[in-house]
Amino acid sequence: GQSLEQPSEVTAVEGAIVQINCTYQTSGFYGLSWYQQHDGGAPTFLSYNALDGLEETGRFSSFLSRSDSYGYLLLQELQMKDSASYFCAVRSYNQGGKLIFGQGTELSVKP
Amino acid sequence: NAGVMQNPRHLVRRRGQEARLRCSPMKGHSHVYWYRQLPEEGLKFMVYLQKENIIDESGMPKERFSAEFPKEGPSILRIQQVVRGDSAAYFCASSPSGQRNPKLFFGSGTQLSVL
Repeated sequence: GQSLEQPSEVTAVEGAIVQINCTYQTSGFYGLSWYQQHDGGAPTFLSYNALDGLEETGRFSSFLSRSDSYGYLLLQELQMKDSASYFCAVRSYNQGGKLIFGQGTELSVKP
Repeated sequence: NAGVMQNPRHLVRRRGQEARLRCSPMKGHSHVYWYRQLPEEGLKFMVYLQKENIIDESGMPKERFSAEFPKEGPSILRIQQVVRGDSAAYFCASSPSGQRNPKLFFGSGTQLSVL
């Protein structure tokens, strides 16, 4: 099987930088994805790492280290609208292609 | 270009009734996934379908739950004889291709409440 672990909640202030970690256990997977969900609405895709290293998309960056079974999402110049739940997810080679999500990290951005 | 459409947005059922949740994937997408979410929890995989085929239903309860994605029309998640524990948000997602594609497009979900 596979499992992903994230902190349940993180709090930061506007303008700051926050890192949301994700550790996983899986026998082999295509890559690590990150999704954002506001107030129980539709989750939206943020970022994907197929290879080790850093991927940057505007204020958001994501990192993957397969050797450490670890990844993170980095949010810079935090804004109030970034308050949301953030989920890491993997698709493993031998799990039929389904995308498995972590339990999510609730990010609260304070003024 | 419409996104993933789910209906109804809210569905109220009494115990023992049937719930039918519909999902129309984005245009050109042939892969559909259903997820269930309880408050303050993550998205739990239920089933993965392609047109007329169930690819993976490992997350579906063995009884009362079924899903289909016919050649024509939306994907349907059907819950028979609902119980209070079925109350949750049910999200549908679609993608244009399968396993290697990391990006799923989600609908706004159906909130099922069982009285």
